[in-house]
Amino acid sequence: ETGVTQSPTHLIKTRGQQVTLRCSSQSGHNTVSWYQQALGQGPQFIFQYYREEENGRGNFPPRFSGLQFPNYSSELNVNALELDDSALYLCASSSPSSSVYNEQFFGPGTRLTVL
Amino acid sequence: TQLLEQSPQFLSIQEGENLTVYCNSSSVFSSLQWYRQEPGEGPVLLVTVVTGGEVKKLKRLTFQFGDARKDSSLHITAAQPGDTGLYLCAGGGWATDSWGKFQFGAGTQVVVTP
Repeated sequence: ETGVTQSPTHLIKTRGQQVTLRCSSQSGHNTVSWYQQALGQGPQFIFQYYREEENGRGNFPPRFSGLQFPNYSSELNVNALELDDSALYLCASSSPSSSVYNEQFFGPGTRLTVL
Repeated sequence: TQLLEQSPQFLSIQEGENLTVYCNSSSVFSSLQWYRQEPGEGPVLLVTVVTGGEVKKLKRLTFQFGDARKDSSLHITAAQPGDTGLYLCAGGGWATDSWGKFQFGAGTQVVVTP
């Protein structure tokens, strides 16, 4: 069983640029959630994708957008990068049909630095 | 803003000592998860508790969910250096549209020195 993978591992961008982060969900999981984790903080929920549709969003501006593909992999896009966007971006996969406990499994994250 | 308050924020102990980490909220959760995260890595799920008053044991780790489903604790017996990490609690909502959308605490950094 393949776990959750994310790419790239690290990324450095400048303010105003755009970035795309990628996530492959764990085998058999159809739901992907994205989180932002600033230094010294817990992860903050950005949004979730279920069967290629956005299924809930946290308190993040519209310049944070996403996609989910038919194979359930997902992308997180951030436009007009700001310094405060520097963080570890985590994706987590889950499957309502396979877990009655609402369990999700995280990837290793992408460390984004905005200069 | 973290809806889940974790305490203490930082804990440094010697190998062999016991420790307890707390996770408190004014909200009621359908389930609560505990994770351990190491630097530069994603959180790793340790346990999920779903029933008020539930106690789960995972080797030297004991997890408890409060009767009112608002709080939880993690107790480590005879801590080892391998227990070092950031311990995060995360609460799940009741509604079906809250599936997989967890509220996280800020974490407790635990350092166990030999």
